[in-house]
Amino acid sequence: GAVVSQHPSRVICKSGTSVKIECRSLDFQATTMFWYRQFPKQSLMLMATSNEGSKATYEQGVEKDKFLINHASLTLSTLTVTSAHPEDSSFYICSLYQGRYNEQFFGPGTRLTVL
Amino acid sequence: GNSVTQMEGPVTLSEEAFLTINCTYTATGYPSLFWYVQYPGEGLQLLLKATKADDKGSNKGFEATYRKETTSFHLEKGSVQVSDSAVYFCALHNFNKFYFGSGTKLNVKP
Repeated sequence: GAVVSQHPSRVICKSGTSVKIECRSLDFQATTMFWYRQFPKQSLMLMATSNEGSKATYEQGVEKDKFLINHASLTLSTLTVTSAHPEDSSFYICSLYQGRYNEQFFGPGTRLTVL
Repeated sequence: GNSVTQMEGPVTLSEEAFLTINCTYTATGYPSLFWYVQYPGEGLQLLLKATKADDKGSNKGFEATYRKETTSFHLEKGSVQVSDSAVYFCALHNFNKFYFGSGTKLNVKP
């Protein structure tokens, strides 16, 4: 299956700063990537669908101006958490979707802590 | 709407015990069903899947059967190993989106 990396794996920042999380497909061209948020002991919550070369599609309740997604190439999608606040602290996971096989390949996740 | 409900954990078993993790779903149309596994410190990996009713997915000794009549996709393994300790997520795919259960942590003791 495809290999997906995320960087950084862990980040701590001050309230009000912005944080960028990168999601890279190392061996597969991904036209579609998903961004999820996972709270402790809870399920993955889909935040947005990232499509290469076009605007991301956000789920209801997710602020697109706060969670900026850029999918400028077939191997890289970025999620920027702007003006982060403590309530944004969470585990963020990306995945790439291989439609031909109806499968997702997940990155290892990024732990964001906002002080 | 679409949703997945799975049993809360943690589930603690001794090695070689039988495992069942329950998963039920609500969906319109004809979803595909999945089980993902997340080992400590790693990302989610596909464990098995089933795309239509009565299909059985299997991998690494794990099995799950897509039961439309009971809207279930329970995960089973006849004899668990310590290396199976992980968090297991049930998920469905419908209309280009994935919906996940809350995850069940499995602890297998030697």
